[in-house]
Amino acid sequence: QKEVEQNSGPLSVPEGAIASLNCTYSDRVSQSFFWYRQYSGKSPELIMSIYSNGDKEDGRFTAQLNKASQYVSLLIRDSQPSDSATYLCAAYNNNDMRFGAGTRLTVKP
Amino acid sequence: EAQVTQNPRYLITVTGKKLTVTCSQNMNHEYMSWYRQDPGLGLRQIYYSMNVEVTDKGDVPEGYKVSRKEKRNFPLILESPSPNQTSLYFCASSFLAGVETQYFGPGTRLLVL
Repeated sequence: QKEVEQNSGPLSVPEGAIASLNCTYSDRVSQSFFWYRQYSGKSPELIMSIYSNGDKEDGRFTAQLNKASQYVSLLIRDSQPSDSATYLCAAYNNNDMRFGAGTRLTVKP
Repeated sequence: EAQVTQNPRYLITVTGKKLTVTCSQNMNHEYMSWYRQDPGLGLRQIYYSMNVEVTDKGDVPEGYKVSRKEKRNFPLILESPSPNQTSLYFCASSFLAGVETQYFGPGTRLLVL
């Protein structure tokens, strides 16, 4: 069974700190990886996508991919209360998109 | 405005009464998919469609049907709903699968009694 695993949290960080979210996946041939943010009662929205090993930065967000370890992470710098949400990790291969259960992040003012 | 719409947004029904949840996108996307979201289980793919008349099963297709007669529409059909299909359902679309941003609809909350 192909799995994407995330720590459910909640992860609590103070405003201005770095939030680190982690994800592992079991399907070794997964090609693409995504981080979605989902506010309570809302639909997921894409934050970052990453396809190759290494880091990818976009504003306050950095995604990291290590295919050898089957590990994806998302760093949020200068965390804001508006970043409080559930973050979903997803892995894609051959039309099959697998999501983790999500990590709930709370940023405290 | 580019969007994915779903109807209805909320639905309460009884076991065995056929229902359809509609999904429509106005972005000319080829790839569309349906997910269900349950607490602790995350999003699970039900069915997806690569293009008109091309559909395939996702991770949890049992009890569901789909059709893709037009590019913009991708309805989800529950022929005989059961209580274990009580869930939050999302439709999503993108130009290409797996490499492009996937846009999600607002969700349909279904309760089967």
